[in-house]
Amino acid sequence: GAGVSQSPRYKVAKRGQDVALRCDPISGHVSLFWYQQALGQGPEFLTYFQNEAQLDKSGLPSDRFFAERPEGSVSTLKIQRTQQEDSAVYLCASSRSPWDREQFFGPGTRLTVL
Amino acid sequence: DAKTTQPNSMESNEEEPVHLPCNHSTISGTDYIHWYRQLPSQGPEYVIHGLTSNVNNRMASLAIAEDRKSSTLILHRATLRDAAVYYCILTTSGSRLTFGEGTQLTVNP
Repeated sequence: GAGVSQSPRYKVAKRGQDVALRCDPISGHVSLFWYQQALGQGPEFLTYFQNEAQLDKSGLPSDRFFAERPEGSVSTLKIQRTQQEDSAVYLCASSRSPWDREQFFGPGTRLTVL
Repeated sequence: DAKTTQPNSMESNEEEPVHLPCNHSTISGTDYIHWYRQLPSQGPEYVIHGLTSNVNNRMASLAIAEDRKSSTLILHRATLRDAAVYYCILTTSGSRLTFGEGTQLTVNP
């Protein structure tokens, strides 16, 4: 079956540009997470959705970061006025329910800000 | 989130067992122990989780100390495809994962 997919896989942006990263979770999965992974480090939590509700956005590093999941399926992470420090791999993960212990990760989007 | 401590790196030979340790001395009674691994250029992959009892699945075994302050992920026969960063993570039900730096496992042919 299809896993979590993310697009684009690679994105190069000039400093100051806005970018939008897409996540298609596994169909029917209620929970959706976004993580940011800097080079050589473990992923860090950004935000969490339960269906369309964004229940936790405590990991978003600044107000330039915005995430949405309007219909409870596909999610978009938007970064406005990108900065070089935003360069990282952005990972999306989904799980069947808020109580399910296994998160399924996508391959990530590698963002490079020049 | 309670903190975990893992060695930065470990090496193993192909077809030999690998024991990956994790210390979590501040674990709380409701914390589950999860292991994920991340192969090069891929997203993390769930391996196994447990609460108090040892656990086995098709990928690995998880041995949990009686006081729950440490655990060990056991790969019974390492293959080259097991070369990855292994993360030991404590979390409550369905919540966000807090990754540390993990253990880089190298498998020698």
